[in-house]
Amino acid sequence: GQQVQQSPSSLVLQEGENAELQCNFSSTATQLQWFYQSPGGSLVSLLSNPSGTKHTGRLTSTTVTKERRSSLHISSSQTTDSGTYLCAIDRWYGGSGNKLIFGTGTLLSVKP
Amino acid sequence: DPKIIQKPKYLVAVTGSEKILICEQYLGHNAMYWYRQSAKKPLEFMFSYSYQKLMDNQTASSRFQPQSSKKNHLDLQITALKPDDSATYFCASSQRGSNTEVFFGKGTRLTVV
Repeated sequence: GQQVQQSPSSLVLQEGENAELQCNFSSTATQLQWFYQSPGGSLVSLLSNPSGTKHTGRLTSTTVTKERRSSLHISSSQTTDSGTYLCAIDRWYGGSGNKLIFGTGTLLSVKP
Repeated sequence: DPKIIQKPKYLVAVTGSEKILICEQYLGHNAMYWYRQSAKKPLEFMFSYSYQKLMDNQTASSRFQPQSSKKNHLDLQITALKPDDSATYFCASSQRGSNTEVFFGKGTRLTVV
């Protein structure tokens, strides 16, 4: 089955509203990253957060490692936030390269 | 300036032909990767290289061959192209280790006709 599950699969907001995106994973992770994929397709790393809470700008990520879940909170959404948000985990055991396992993403649409 | 450069941005190829996707990274990372994103499928890991050595290969087909001429280069040669190979191919890099952050290039969108 899918090792990384994201919800909701899509979300429509009015500009200024907040968004809460969820990521659940089925195995232990040494790293968790949130990415933004623009409508044009390019991938940008937003936050690297294997545990605890991290903030950057209007983004807050909280990862509870023991419960194998992470959330991404977007405050005061803007139309430019529209795109796909991807969650990815890594299980690094040493002696190998890092290998991210991605979820299927949350498609966010922010209306003006 | 982009720190991970992929060329070309778009590529159209004929079934049965061979193409090489180029990737260079200028982040000083010691590991490089290829990922593939096909329509309606999650991004999936293909290969990882470190210091020009293959670390991990999750690609079943030998038609996909990474090539590393320098430690900051990792090209992807694809032979005997099929329409199912149509996808966006992303190059990425990181410092190997736990808690490391992986960075991605802008991708090469390949269409096989």
